[in-house]
Amino acid sequence: SQQGEEDPQALSIQEGENATMNCSYKTSINNLQWYRQNSGRGLVHLILIRSNEREKHSGRLRVTLDTSKKSSSLLITASRAADTASYFCATAGGGCSSASKIIFGSGTRLSIRP
Amino acid sequence: EAQVTQNPRYLITVTGKKLTVTCSQNMNHEYMSWYRQDPGLGLRQIYYSMNVEVTDKGDVPEGYKVSRKEKRNFPLILESPSPNQTSLYFCASSVSPGEQYFGPGTRLTVT
Repeated sequence: SQQGEEDPQALSIQEGENATMNCSYKTSINNLQWYRQNSGRGLVHLILIRSNEREKHSGRLRVTLDTSKKSSSLLITASRAADTASYFCATAGGGCSSASKIIFGSGTRLSIRP
Repeated sequence: EAQVTQNPRYLITVTGKKLTVTCSQNMNHEYMSWYRQDPGLGLRQIYYSMNVEVTDKGDVPEGYKVSRKEKRNFPLILESPSPNQTSLYFCASSVSPGEQYFGPGTRLTVT
């Protein structure tokens, strides 16, 4: 079962612009994570936000979480060519039977044009 | 250096020939997990383990087995591989379900 749906599937922006990606999920969660993946490589953890948090920052990254809407967004400010990658959200379940499962979204492919 | 290692990185095999993909982490993490990544489907969790001798099914466990006899190792076993198991496989570890460290991936082709 696919928990997270990401939007848009692909995004192309000019270097220096901000990039926003959205993630929606279906069930209650303990936390939501964002990862970056460069082509065919392992994923790199970017930021984790817990279900009782609404916003979190890390460098040029800003993540928001709206548990009432079951959605999260990742904002990358002042984008750089090196930000070109696929970005995935993942949720760790909130229910007793699924608390330890992690479910990934299908990802957003971000391209930064020089 | 904190890392998750996987071996082999690339594997081509034939239908029905048992294989094992190893995964090892040096961070003393309790939580370990296996994923497969297929085009258009994102990553799907195969199995996960909360600690030694504690494993549970993810979303796509059929055709796979795992074991967790030591905290650092979490091998993935395909008893009788089939072509639909051709995929890119990732192992990951973390303290708890959350901030995961990923291995470099194993590209498996079953002919």
